[in-house]
Amino acid sequence: EAGVAQSPRYKIIEKRQSVAFWCNPISGHATLYWYQQILGQGPKLLIQFQNNGVVDDSQLPKDRFSAERLKGVDSTLKIQPAKLEDSAVYLCASSLGWVTNTEAFFGQGTRLTVV
Amino acid sequence: AQSVTQPDIHITVSEGASLELRCNYSYGATPYLFWYVQSPGQGLQLLLKYFSGDTLVQGIKGFEAEFKRSQSSFNLRKPSVHWSDAAEYFCAVESRPDAGNMLTFGGGTRLMVKP
Repeated sequence: EAGVAQSPRYKIIEKRQSVAFWCNPISGHATLYWYQQILGQGPKLLIQFQNNGVVDDSQLPKDRFSAERLKGVDSTLKIQPAKLEDSAVYLCASSLGWVTNTEAFFGQGTRLTVV
Repeated sequence: AQSVTQPDIHITVSEGASLELRCNYSYGATPYLFWYVQSPGQGLQLLLKYFSGDTLVQGIKGFEAEFKRSQSSFNLRKPSVHWSDAAEYFCAVESRPDAGNMLTFGGGTRLMVKP
């Protein structure tokens, strides 16, 4: 079974530039998550999708971050304009969703460096 | 609001020695609890999970964890550590069990293994 795919693996941009990350979840997983992991910290949830609808985006900085999941499969996370403090690993995860006793599976992440 | 605390930022053990990583949570209802491991440059891999039932949970790679409701703890243990166990370990609680696998993570414990 293929895992959660993310690209790119690494990205270096200058502040005020824009960047986009892509995620392809495990086939059949209805729920998709984006987490931000700043160096030395645990991951923090940014947004959760159920199919193509947003379940929770309360911790997404909406003035600069946006995410979409068209057709309920792949998802993109965009930052525009980027700030130095956005340097982090962005992890995508997926799960079956509205089923108890399940777990989330994580991709390898995209490491973003803003200079 | 739910929270997870991992009191030890770094732990060093000798290869072959036993290991215990501490995790304390704050959550109003019966928690769904997880331990994940993250190797350098990798995503998060699930070690084990607790949903209900037996409070001693067995996981992969020889790890186990014990849920203690009275102490709000979910400590991870391994009887004999291998050099390949060196990694960062994260404890997490499922924030909204009725809405997928939205996770709140602790800050992580970095495990170093001495030969």
